[in-house]
Amino acid sequence: ETGVTQSPTHLIKTRGQQVTLRCSSQSGHNTVSWYQQALGQGPQFIFQYYREEENGRGNFPPRFSGLQFPNYSSELNVNALELDDSALYLCASSFSRGGAGELFFGEGSRLTVL
Amino acid sequence: AQSVTQPDIHITVSEGASLELRCNYSYGATPYLFWYVQSPGQGLQLLLKYFSGDTLVQGIKGFEAEFKRSQSSFNLRKPSVHWSDAAEYFCAVGPTSGSARQLTFGSGTQLTVLP
Repeated sequence: ETGVTQSPTHLIKTRGQQVTLRCSSQSGHNTVSWYQQALGQGPQFIFQYYREEENGRGNFPPRFSGLQFPNYSSELNVNALELDDSALYLCASSFSRGGAGELFFGEGSRLTVL
Repeated sequence: AQSVTQPDIHITVSEGASLELRCNYSYGATPYLFWYVQSPGQGLQLLLKYFSGDTLVQGIKGFEAEFKRSQSSFNLRKPSVHWSDAAEYFCAVGPTSGSARQLTFGSGTQLTVLP
């Protein structure tokens, strides 16, 4: 167990709705990254937050947004949900924003969009 | 653009047999290299990583991987597989510079272990 917790574990939404996913970082970690893992695929980087600011973003549209709070927990928000947004969303925390240090992943939030 | 290729979608081995999972990458420079494992319903766990020095790296659970710069490969090996090793394995690369640790993952290799 990594100490990274995500909620909810499963949820179902309909197309066009909005969703918020939450992540609690491992104690002492100041960096949070979010990844999208579609069925049968590897995770894809969405963005990274360091000290409450976004400091890296993958190839995802602006309707994917995030927040990091002073206690380093984080939220991922997705607006105007599309069917292709159905995936496992993984949160990962780390001690630093760059380098080769280990990322600690949570178990993910599985989103189904109908 | 960077990419990671895991050519084997699914591998089946018998318990006690040796294992090699292949990983090839395309990157502008030598990246950091990682292997992660994902069990059903679980997040990703780091098995091992390479960032410099000895090209043969040891990881947890008896796994090792060898970095071959000339082949742009980072293959994962285990001399004797246990039933508990059944899972999905992901190879990933990350930047050695910059302020964001944006990992690029392969599409994974599903490992089945026969008794």
